[in-house]
Amino acid sequence: DVKVTQSSRYLVKRTGEKVFLECVQDMDHENMFWYRQDPGLGLRLIYFSYDVKMKEKGDIPEGYSVSREKKERFSLILESASTNQTSMYLCASRGQGRTGELFFGEGSRLTVL
Amino acid sequence: QKEVEQDPGPLSVPEGAIVSLNCTYSNSAFQYFMWYRQYSRKGPELLMYTYSSGNKEDGRFTAQVDKSSKYISLFIRDSQPSDSATYLCASRNSGNTPLVFGKGTRLSVIA
Repeated sequence: DVKVTQSSRYLVKRTGEKVFLECVQDMDHENMFWYRQDPGLGLRLIYFSYDVKMKEKGDIPEGYSVSREKKERFSLILESASTNQTSMYLCASRGQGRTGELFFGEGSRLTVL
Repeated sequence: QKEVEQDPGPLSVPEGAIVSLNCTYSNSAFQYFMWYRQYSRKGPELLMYTYSSGNKEDGRFTAQVDKSSKYISLFIRDSQPSDSATYLCASRNSGNTPLVFGKGTRLSVIA
């Protein structure tokens, strides 16, 4: 059974803290993505990666960075968390096949106080 | 203008109704069209996938794409309370590019 696993379902952090959100996929997919999902705004792409050590900015990269040291792992980093980064964060992966189905993790709900 | 527009609803229907969910898109290069379903507190899951124009049917679900009008539709027949979820349309072009999502429509099917 294919799986995208996000390390934490719920996190509460304080303003200014450094936050790591980890994502691991077991499908040997080349492509991995980080989205945030907010009511009324839908899914917005933060960063994505086509290969190990590669990263591309999405629509809203400000305040975030990413790391892809291994093919199966894609980490999202908030260097200095702010209250406007309170959100649901969704990791996804996709193979190189024609259909390009995106497989999502369960999400990490981050609250920044 | 966002590349994929979707009415967020919410939409509430009685059990057994036919549901029509719609999106429009602006990028003529889009070739792949998908519908994802997202239950509360879960990640989205692929429901239907269509390449280029045409219809695709899977059980009670039918996906339609009209490229001439840049219109994407999902029809649910004999809707069930278990269909209550948020439905997201998404599109992308033929390259290895990210999916562009609509904002999602929240559907409630009332027993």
